[in-house]
Amino acid sequence: NAGVTQTPKFQVLKTGQSMTLQCAQDMNHNSMYWYRQDPGMGLRLIYYSASEGTTDKGEVPNGYNVSRLNKREFSLRLESAAPSQTSVYFCASSVGGSQETQYFGPGTRLLVL
Amino acid sequence: GESVGLHLPTLSVQEGDNSIINCAYSNSASDYFIWYKQESGKGPQFIIDIRSNMDKRQGQRVTVLLNKTVKHLSLQIAATQPGDSAVYFCAENGDYGQNFVFGPGTRLSVLP
Repeated sequence: NAGVTQTPKFQVLKTGQSMTLQCAQDMNHNSMYWYRQDPGMGLRLIYYSASEGTTDKGEVPNGYNVSRLNKREFSLRLESAAPSQTSVYFCASSVGGSQETQYFGPGTRLLVL
Repeated sequence: GESVGLHLPTLSVQEGDNSIINCAYSNSASDYFIWYKQESGKGPQFIIDIRSNMDKRQGQRVTVLLNKTVKHLSLQIAATQPGDSAVYFCAENGDYGQNFVFGPGTRLSVLP
């Protein structure tokens, strides 16, 4: 039982390049989330998927898109990376809803030059 | 642990002492709270949670206290160990639908 896994662990992009961050969970959770974490700030929600087949914007969705590929996998895409998207990205999953604990992956560190 | 921009509040404790980390939450509608531990270079790790129908919950070496009157949470760690050194942050669910709001965290430094 690996929990929440993320790939890649680290990525360097040039401004304007695109990339997809991958996330998978093996806990049979319904809900999945993408956050970004910047120095000295709390986690900020980018997008979430309450259940397979649905996605919704969070607090900071601009510049990102997501795909809930199936119940296990939730990907985050940067179509045209900007330096402001330099951050650490965390994926999380939960059974569902705001009465349930969210479990986090190890993170992807992204540097946009 | 209130945000102070780029610099997290830091709590330094001697190994073996008890630690108390505080969190002021913002939404009186919040009824579920979680404490996470984040070690350097790793993802947040669940420590303990509490629902609003309780004011205290204990785990192994950790206790969470909830004071709804002043919207305050605290995390107490007994007999702090070097492995407890990390950033600790709280999360509240408020009335944000599916979502939580996370505090910026407090850095716990355990001195030998």
